[in-house]
Amino acid sequence: ETGVTQTPRHLVMGMTNKKSLKCEQHLGHNAMYWYKQSAKKPLELMFVYSLEERVENNSVPSRFSPECPNSSHLFLHLHTLQPEDSALYLCASSHPLGPGSGGELFFGEGSRLTVL
Amino acid sequence: AQKVTQAQTEISVVEKEDVTLDCVYETRDTTYYLFWYKQPPSGELVFLIRRNSFDEQNEISGRYSWNFQKSTSSFNFTITASQVVDSAVYFCALIENTGFQKLVFGTGTRLLVSP
Repeated sequence: ETGVTQTPRHLVMGMTNKKSLKCEQHLGHNAMYWYKQSAKKPLELMFVYSLEERVENNSVPSRFSPECPNSSHLFLHLHTLQPEDSALYLCASSHPLGPGSGGELFFGEGSRLTVL
Repeated sequence: AQKVTQAQTEISVVEKEDVTLDCVYETRDTTYYLFWYKQPPSGELVFLIRRNSFDEQNEISGRYSWNFQKSTSSFNFTITASQVVDSAVYFCALIENTGFQKLVFGTGTRLLVSP
């Protein structure tokens, strides 16, 4: 069982569809993250959850809606997306957040999203 | 604001060559953490190393070595005797001691190692 698992690995959707990305971690972490990786751009932090509470929303459009039902699962609900939202969406987890913790993030393999 | 710059977009080497990937960072904080991640074609970012701002000792792990120099705000990564399996995109990243793990990445360097 890998540490951080993301499904689906690939997703193609139209602009009017509603879909969800799922992330599950088996590392006992209680912080989880969504990152967006677009071509030729740095990885962008989208959301951070600590103990199932959202602690960071990095100016992400409302067509992306995260959900963290427990410390092991994280979802990204998608609706009325635009073609420019096509990207690799990476989930990560880490040990507890806090000043000086400096813990590394463990990433999943990502969900490759294509919006037509 | 914090920023990480990886000026090398792509590097091509032949197997067994040594290669150095550059990373320059900007931060106003005195306490921070620097990271290197490897992203193979499968997409997953693989953690390689973490270094805190108070530890300037260079580190060696097998064929990998890291040179941290606060005076030049650099955290360079060297692969000795490169192998085809080293082909990947390598990211340098920074976390400030702000209370949350806001990992800021550079744009990455694609390393191509040919036989």
